[in-house]
Amino acid sequence: ILNVEQSPQSLHVQEGDSTNFTCSFPSSNFYALHWYRWETAKSPEALFVMTLNGDEKKKGRISATLNTKEGYSYLYIKGSQPEDSATYLCALMNRDDKIIFGKGTRLHILP
Amino acid sequence: DTGVSQDPRHKITKRGQNVTFRCDPISEHNRLYWYRQTLGQGPEFLTYFQNEAQLEKSRLLSDRFSAERPKGSFSTLEIQRTEQGDSAMYLCASSLAQGVDTEAFFGQGTRLTVV
Repeated sequence: ILNVEQSPQSLHVQEGDSTNFTCSFPSSNFYALHWYRWETAKSPEALFVMTLNGDEKKKGRISATLNTKEGYSYLYIKGSQPEDSATYLCALMNRDDKIIFGKGTRLHILP
Repeated sequence: DTGVSQDPRHKITKRGQNVTFRCDPISEHNRLYWYRQTLGQGPEFLTYFQNEAQLEKSRLLSDRFSAERPKGSFSTLEIQRTEQGDSAMYLCASSLAQGVDTEAFFGQGTRLTVV
């Protein structure tokens, strides 16, 4: 069973502060992990696709790490800006390309 | 190509009516996914296709839900005898299955309200 857990569910961060949140998944039969950003009134957009244990990917102020042996991934945002306010979704993809999402972390950046 | 498009964007229907949604994926994409999202939840998997073949349908889905992708291009999701609990955002996504680096591209969704 593909079960993806994300924490926290919701997060308020002061503008300029850095933050991070967690995605947990079953480590057996791991294939790939995705992070998506979903802004209000827009479509979810892929941030990262991660496949290798120890992988670290970066896009601007956002980075992610992956530990497939213990079944978790962290997403980090450095120096939060108002445009970072969104829901961040973690998703697990199996070998048949089925993609299962967690419930997301809703990030609110406070001015 | 302008990405994944869904139609309609919004649908209000009376309980008991049938509704059908359409998704046009990115043209060369062979995988197509349907998800349902309700307030405070992440996208819940409904079904997905490889070209015209439906690979899996969620066991959470009742028989009132059916999806097709007849020519391996656009897809339709039909809900028969709608219930208030069907009110949700229905998201479609597509991808080009190419191994571990596959990412999905989403449409903007169809928001269904059953009154």
